[in-house]
Amino acid sequence: SQQGEEDPQALSIQEGENATMNCSYKTSINNLQWYRQNSGRGLVHLILIRSNEREKHSGRLRVTLDTSKKSSSLLITASRAADTASYFCATDVGNQFYFGTGTSLTVIP
Amino acid sequence: DAGITQSPRHKVTETGTPVTLRCHQTENHRYMYWYRQDPGHGLRLIHYSYGVKDTDKGEVSDGYSVSRSKTEDFLLTLESATSSQTSVYFCAIIAGEVQYFGPGTRLTVL
Repeated sequence: SQQGEEDPQALSIQEGENATMNCSYKTSINNLQWYRQNSGRGLVHLILIRSNEREKHSGRLRVTLDTSKKSSSLLITASRAADTASYFCATDVGNQFYFGTGTSLTVIP
Repeated sequence: DAGITQSPRHKVTETGTPVTLRCHQTENHRYMYWYRQDPGHGLRLIHYSYGVKDTDKGEVSDGYSVSRSKTEDFLLTLESATSSQTSVYFCAIIAGEVQYFGPGTRLTVL
């Protein structure tokens, strides 16, 4: 399987704290993307980082990529209750996407 | 939602029966994908299409077939459903480099 792994599987934090989740993958990639899924819904794209980039920001999101370690991290700063969801990394390998197993984030008001 | 709909949204069927799930898009995207989502496995690619009548297998294609006779429709067929195919099925398209997902179909095989 080329599927990635995410760590931790579940994370519970207080509102206002930062949340960090990690993704490891197995193959060379064109880019890595992070998606969010609210319970019972389809996935929604959050941010894309290319293989030649090391860090990217979008609003309260910060993504890093280390291609030598085949790993990425997603940081959500100043979390809100509305950030409660599952978060997945996905690697783009020639128009085929491989998703991680996901991190379930709970933000407690 | 990039104009993606899936039908049916929920289905309960019995082992051994054929089942067809439909994905419909309204924006003429070339690539379409079928995934299944199971607890502990995230999303896994079943099949994808890169044009009318052009399809390829993903990592969990056994027991599934697909067809794409029109740009807007991508059909996923379980020829003889098994209990291991109980899952939530998502269709997706690519716009630019980003995938956009349909709302999902929850399939239960008894």
